[in-house]
Amino acid sequence: NAGVTQTPKFQVLKTGQSMTLQCAQDMNHEYMSWYRQDPGMGLRLIHYSVGAGITDQGEVPNGYNVSRSTTEDFPLRLLSAAPSQTSVYFCASRSRGVEQYFGPGTRLTVT
Amino acid sequence: GENVGLHLPTLSVQEGDNSIINCAYSNSASDYFIWYKQESGKGPQFIIDIRSNMDKRQGQRVTVLLNKTVKHLSLQIAATQPGDSAVYFCSIQGAQKLVFGQGTRLTINP
Repeated sequence: NAGVTQTPKFQVLKTGQSMTLQCAQDMNHEYMSWYRQDPGMGLRLIHYSVGAGITDQGEVPNGYNVSRSTTEDFPLRLLSAAPSQTSVYFCASRSRGVEQYFGPGTRLTVT
Repeated sequence: GENVGLHLPTLSVQEGDNSIINCAYSNSASDYFIWYKQESGKGPQFIIDIRSNMDKRQGQRVTVLLNKTVKHLSLQIAATQPGDSAVYFCSIQGAQKLVFGQGTRLTINP
């Protein structure tokens, strides 16, 4: 299994641009989540999904959209990038157990 | 809702010594408390979890202690090795959400 994969690894955007961060998992996990990690801070939940077709907001959802059309994929869309969205983004998945599997992250810079 | 914090942002220990990383939480009705390890440039990695009806759980070289009376969680690493250098996060698994503390950076001195 590849586990949780994320693309791209690095991205630079200009303010106002939009983009989609890709996340995929091949473990048939029901639960998937997106987190952002800022320097010196823990991970903060952006959006999560408990299954295909079901998504909900986390702690910091503003400026981001998600969809879950398949079990495997959970893309995160930035609608109009802002410098405050400069961060490292992690996607994670889990089954009904507590262990979350994290992807390698996408480092995003917005100028 | 759940809230998680850590006592120290950094911890430095001698190689071979035991490490103790502490964490406090508030207002949690969660069933699970979980420790993650994050090495530089990587995503967090699950270490060990403990259910709220337990006060101690042991893994390989790691022990987690839970004191619900004072809402305190700790991770003990025995015989700390260079490969243990990382940031350690305590977290609370809610019904759907995982809430993280801010992390403790563990540095190993040779």
